[in-house]
Amino acid sequence: TQLLEQSPQFLSIQEGENLTVYCNSSSVFSSLQWYRQEPGEGPVLLVTVVTGGEVKKLKRLTFQFGDARKDSSLHITAAQPGDTGLYLCAGEYGNNRLAFGKGNQVVVIP
Amino acid sequence: ETGVTQTPRHLVMGMTNKKSLKCEQHLGHNAMYWYKQSAKKPLELMFVYNFKEQTENNSVPSRFSPECPNSSHLFLHLHTLQPEDSALYLCASSQVRQESGELFFGEGSRLTVL
Repeated sequence: TQLLEQSPQFLSIQEGENLTVYCNSSSVFSSLQWYRQEPGEGPVLLVTVVTGGEVKKLKRLTFQFGDARKDSSLHITAAQPGDTGLYLCAGEYGNNRLAFGKGNQVVVIP
Repeated sequence: ETGVTQTPRHLVMGMTNKKSLKCEQHLGHNAMYWYKQSAKKPLELMFVYNFKEQTENNSVPSRFSPECPNSSHLFLHLHTLQPEDSALYLCASSQVRQESGELFFGEGSRLTVL
C-alpha cells in the first residue's frame, strides 16, 4: 500500500504571505501530481513532476519533486484569496495507478 | 468549464432506495474511474474502466454497481446503502498511455444516506 502523508493538514495565512506544504512517502513513485480542489468542485490538476529533483513553476506556485522521488513540496509566494483550497498530492505507481494523500487545506485570509 | 460532467450534483436517499449516479466525459479519453471522497480520508479508488472493460474493483461492496455502456459514459447504481456511504462521489477520466496518467475530475455527486 502506497501511503502519502501531507502536512500540515490545515493552514491559514494572511494575503501576501508565503507558505509551503509537503507530501511525503516511503514509497518511490514514477511521477507525482498536485491537484487543487475548491469547495463543491472536483480536483483540478495543477502540475505533474516526473524527474527526481525537478522544479516546476506555475505563476506564484513552485513545485519540487524530491531527488529520490518519494516526496514533494508546494510553495506559494504572496498568497492570494484565490489560492484557497484543498491541495492534493497523488503518486503514480504501477500501471497508471494513483495513490492520494488526505490533502493540505489552505485558507488565505484577505 | 469541466470536460467531465456528473449528475446529480446532490442526492439524498433512504437506505432502501435505488438511485444512480451518471458521469459523461467529453475529452475522448479511454479510461473512466469512480472515486469516493470522505472527510479526512484520502481519495478512495472504487472502480476503473479501460475501453469500457472493468479492470479494477477495489473491494467495493456489492451495493455499489458500476456500468460503462461506452467509453464516454459511466454510471454508479446504488441500492440499500448505509449511512457511512454518505460522501462525495467523483468521476474521472484519463487517457491511458505509457507516461503519467493525469486525471480529469467531474464536480462530484454529494450523496447523503439517511
